Amino acid sequence: NAGVTQTPKFQVLKTGQSMTLQCAQDMNHNSMYWYRQDPGMGLRLIYYSASEGTTDKGEVPNGYNVSRLNKREFSLRLESAAPSQTSVYFCASSGQGFSNQPQHFGDGTRLSIL
Amino acid sequence: GENVEQHPSTLSVQEGDSAVIKCTYSDSASNYFPWYKQELGKRPQLIIDIRSNVGEKKDQRIAVTLNKTAKHFSLHITETQPEDSAVYFCAAVENTGTASKLTFGTGTRLQVTL
Repeated sequence: NAGVTQTPKFQVLKTGQSMTLQCAQDMNHNSMYWYRQDPGMGLRLIYYSASEGTTDKGEVPNGYNVSRLNKREFSLRLESAAPSQTSVYFCASSGQGFSNQPQHFGDGTRLSIL
Repeated sequence: GENVEQHPSTLSVQEGDSAVIKCTYSDSASNYFPWYKQELGKRPQLIIDIRSNVGEKKDQRIAVTLNKTAKHFSLHITETQPEDSAVYFCAAVENTGTASKLTFGTGTRLQVTL
């Protein structure tokens, strides 16, 4: 049972390049989330998907787009990367979203934008 | 939206002593409060959580207390060990009715010295 799997683990981009971060969970969870983690700022919610077919903005959505491909997969896209998007990105999932189930995190993607 | 403040930002204790981390939240509608431990370079991992209908919860050396009136909750670690050294995050969950949105505190770096 892998839990939440993120790819890639590391990536270096040049300013203006685009890329998609992939996330998949095998726990049959309904809800999925993308966070970014910056030093001294904790984890901040970028986008979330309460269930397959729905997505909503979190605290810091600017510069990002998401796709809930199916129940298992939730991707995060940077259309035109900027140095301010250098961060560690975590994907998470949880069971029934409205019943306050714990969120389980992937190992993260370390993204550097030059 | 929810705002979570966490103190202290760093905490150093001697092995065997107790450690206490405190958090406050702003949204009285928040009803679920998880605590995560993050070791260097690793994913956040849930260590304990508490729901709003409970005032205290214990799991071996870890306990969490919640004061809904004052809107604060605390993590207590007794008999600390070197492997407790990590960054700890509190969080408060806003239930939107379709998903549970976590708002994190900025973290406490706990160092347990021999």
